[in-house]
Amino acid sequence: QKEVEQNSGPLSVPEGAIASLNCTYSDRGSQSFFWYRQYSGKSPELIMFIYSNGDKEDGRFTAQLNKASQYVSLLIRDSQPSDSATYLCAVNSGGGADGLTFGKGTHLIIQP
Amino acid sequence: GAVVSQHPSWVICKSGTSVKIECRSLDFQATTMFWYRQFPKQSLMLMATSNEGSKATYEQGVEKDKFLINHASLTLSTLTVTSAHPEDSSFYICSARSSGVPDTQYFGPGTRLTVL
Repeated sequence: QKEVEQNSGPLSVPEGAIASLNCTYSDRGSQSFFWYRQYSGKSPELIMFIYSNGDKEDGRFTAQLNKASQYVSLLIRDSQPSDSATYLCAVNSGGGADGLTFGKGTHLIIQP
Repeated sequence: GAVVSQHPSWVICKSGTSVKIECRSLDFQATTMFWYRQFPKQSLMLMATSNEGSKATYEQGVEKDKFLINHASLTLSTLTVTSAHPEDSSFYICSARSSGVPDTQYFGPGTRLTVL
């Protein structure tokens, strides 16, 4: 059984600070890792993907992957109120042909 | 790029009726599409994998005779909820796989189904 674990939150962060979201996964054979943002009542929107150990930066977002620890994280710098949403960690074990396994998501609140 | 549409965005139906949901990749061809379901305050759960020109692959616990999937072309997959019941009320979301490194799934806007 593939599992993806996230702290459900809510995680409250002041505007302008760094928000840190964490995710662990059970399948050591997992190959690709994704972070999606989901606003209430909407479908997920892809933020970033990562598949190599280390950090990957895209604007205010940085994804970090540690396959040995089976851990992936997302950092959001200079947090804005519009970043308030649920962030879903998703894992793909089959190189793309398989559906994604999602965590339950972390509810992030950016306080103005 | 990588836009996925779904229709309808919401539907209300009576118990026992069937509902068809369409998923289209608008600017790319998707040999593989996926159907997910999300109940309130829950995560997305994969229901089935839809492959163009072949039968869908269903996840454990998902009734294939109840949730009919047809992937007739490289840009269209349909999900039909047959004989819908109130417990089928949920947010149904499709995604389409875009080839790349790595392959990435892009989600449609979702269809909210309410069965009375």
